[in-house]
Amino acid sequence: AQSVTQLGSHVSVSEGALVLLRCNYSSSVPPYLFWYVQYPNQGLQLLLKYTSAATLVKGINGFEAEFKKSETSFHLTKPSAHMSDAAEYFCAVSDGGNNRKLIWGLGTSLAVNP
Amino acid sequence: DTAVSQTPKYLVTQMGNDKSIKCEQNLGHDTMYWYKQDSKKFLKIMFSYNNKELIINETVPNRFSPKSPDKAHLNLHINSLELGDSAVYFCASSRATPNTEAFFGQGTRLTVV
Repeated sequence: AQSVTQLGSHVSVSEGALVLLRCNYSSSVPPYLFWYVQYPNQGLQLLLKYTSAATLVKGINGFEAEFKKSETSFHLTKPSAHMSDAAEYFCAVSDGGNNRKLIWGLGTSLAVNP
Repeated sequence: DTAVSQTPKYLVTQMGNDKSIKCEQNLGHDTMYWYKQDSKKFLKIMFSYNNKELIINETVPNRFSPKSPDKAHLNLHINSLELGDSAVYFCASSRATPNTEAFFGQGTRLTVV
């Protein structure tokens, strides 16, 4: 069965510092992986997705993630944090079935300090 | 144009009442979902419909009943509201292909008092 673990429920960085949000997955089939962002009082927005085309995936707002099969990881990074990046970030894996179900991590709250 | 729209955005109601949340998507997607997000931000899928047919029905009290009049709409009706139903409810939609991403509405914050 598929599962997702996000390490660190809260991450705090300084403005301009590297952002690293960790996601490890477990999947019995080749995984399709997603990162979503949720700004306060808003819905979830897709940041990027891995669909086996390339291991380094670039997304919106300067974020990228690298799929590492050997480590079963799909960590999200951004070279330089902006204040506007403060949000909740969710990693998800597709369950591989025809019902289009996503398995969600518990989320990581990112704080950006001036 | 809002891709996935939910109404109302906020809903405050008393215990025991019945309420509905409406959702519409203009993306031409065949699959729609209802999610519940609790106060700790945990996301839980409740239901999923594909072209008006129920395909996911997680362990949800039968006080919750989804209705899909057509593939662009998925409404959620809740009977006999309880304090524990207070949460943010998100509607989402996706294409009817495996491993595809979902597009979310802005959420409905339900507060039961």
